[in-house]
Amino acid sequence: EIVLTQSPGTLSLSPGERATLSCRASQSVSSSYLVWYQQKPGQAPRLLIYGASSRATGIPDRFSGSGSGTDFTLTISRLEPEDFAVYYCQQFGSSPRYTFGQGTKLEI
Amino acid sequence: EVQLVESGGGLVQPGESLRLSCATSGFTFSDYALNWVRQAPGKGLEWVSYIGPRGRSATYYADSVKGRFTISRDNAKSSLHLQMNSLRDEDTAVYYCARDIASCSGDNCYEIRFDYWGQGALVTVSS
Repeated sequence: EIVLTQSPGTLSLSPGERATLSCRASQSVSSSYLVWYQQKPGQAPRLLIYGASSRATGIPDRFSGSGSGTDFTLTISRLEPEDFAVYYCQQFGSSPRYTFGQGTKLEI
Repeated sequence: EVQLVESGGGLVQPGESLRLSCATSGFTFSDYALNWVRQAPGKGLEWVSYIGPRGRSATYYADSVKGRFTISRDNAKSSLHLQMNSLRDEDTAVYYCARDIASCSGDNCYEIRFDYWGQGALVTVSS
């Protein structure tokens, strides 16, 4: 089973700053299968990035994803007030079929 | 507009059963795989179960629910279901249904992701 470990657990930044969130896999993951979601309190998760670096429809270009192998990164170039949320990475595997990281809380 | 709406959540006692449903609209239901994902109070996301699209309705389960939960779909009614038996305290969570999409070439699929989610249904297991 591939375990995804996200860091930091909590990231405290201000609007206008750059955020860098990490997702590390216990084994190599195909970039094609690495996904990032955003979740705000009381809401369902929202798809941000798939295939490690492709933005989902309607996602602003301040969000970008990168990485390969075991190390993946979500970068938010200039934080807007609405970006403060919890971010999860996810990978498609064999057993279990999908796993999520434990999340990174981005707070003001 | 793609919509997924869960229903059937509630309070049950340990050992009891509950059936969740996810009504969908705005897309050709039978063409898509679907999943259940849950989130315990204050915790992260946990994938629960997957069912393939029409013609490839394979099912998969997380080890934590295998043998107790059953996923099914009704293509005629564009609905997804999760039958949950022998419920435990640790099954308490908000349960989301999520549409699964990928780019496929034959049997090889890539860029797999959950592009639409429902608003969630709360299941509370407590005596």
